Amino acid sequence: DAKTTQPNSMESNEEEPVHLPCNHSTISGTDYIHWYRQLPSQGPEYVIHGLTSNVNNRMASLAIAEDRKSSTLILHRATLRDAAVYYCILRDANYGGSQGNLIFGKGTKLSVKP
Amino acid sequence: DAGVTQSPTHLIKTRGQHVTLRCSPISGHKSVSWYQQVLGQGPQFIFQYYEKEERGRGNFPDRFSARQFPNYSSELNVNALLLGDSALYLCASSHIPGQGYGYTFGSGTRLTVV
Repeated sequence: DAKTTQPNSMESNEEEPVHLPCNHSTISGTDYIHWYRQLPSQGPEYVIHGLTSNVNNRMASLAIAEDRKSSTLILHRATLRDAAVYYCILRDANYGGSQGNLIFGKGTKLSVKP
Repeated sequence: DAGVTQSPTHLIKTRGQHVTLRCSPISGHKSVSWYQQVLGQGPQFIFQYYEKEERGRGNFPDRFSARQFPNYSSELNVNALLLGDSALYLCASSHIPGQGYGYTFGSGTRLTVV
C-alpha cells in the first residue's frame, strides 16, 4: 500500500493561513489523495480529495505537485475550530478487495493559537 | 439528513464477553466500513461491506466479524473480548468504495474492556 509522510505536529495563529504538507513518493497513477481531519472526541471528517489538479472547496484547498509525489492542504484562515489531527491518505481508484479502505497514519496534529 | 449513526455511544464490557456494535449509514449509501482507533493512533481498517457482501478485511483476528443488512445498516461483533480491544470503533459510509468518493464517519462507539 502506498504510504504518506506527514509532520507530527504544527502550530498556527488564528486567522492566518496554514499549509499542511504530505509526502507520498510511492504514489501510483490511480491513487487519489484524500485529506481527513479528526477533532477531539469525534470521528474523522472528510476535507478534500484530488487526483492530479489542484482542488478547492468550502473547507480548504489541495495543492498537488506536478509529479504528484507531494501535496499540501491549505486552510486559508485558521480558526480555533480547525485544531485537529489532519490525515493525508492515498486511495486506489480501482476498487477491489480491500483497496477501497482508508489507511490512516498518525497524521499531523494542528494547534491554533488565539 | 441524518449522518452516520452508531450505537451505543459508550460501552463497558468484561474480558471474555461478547459485544455487538451497530451502524446506520447515510441514506443512499451502500458501503459501510468499520475501523478501530486505539488511543493516540490513527484508525485501523477492520471490515468493508458493499451491497451486503464483505469486500475487504483488515488484519484482525477471527474474533471480529461483521455483517450488512438489506437496509445497508451494519453490525460489528467481537467475541471473547480482550483488554486490548478497548478502543473507539468507527463506522464510515460512502456511495461506492473507491472511485475517489469520500467517506462519512460516525462519532464512534467507545468500548472499554475491564
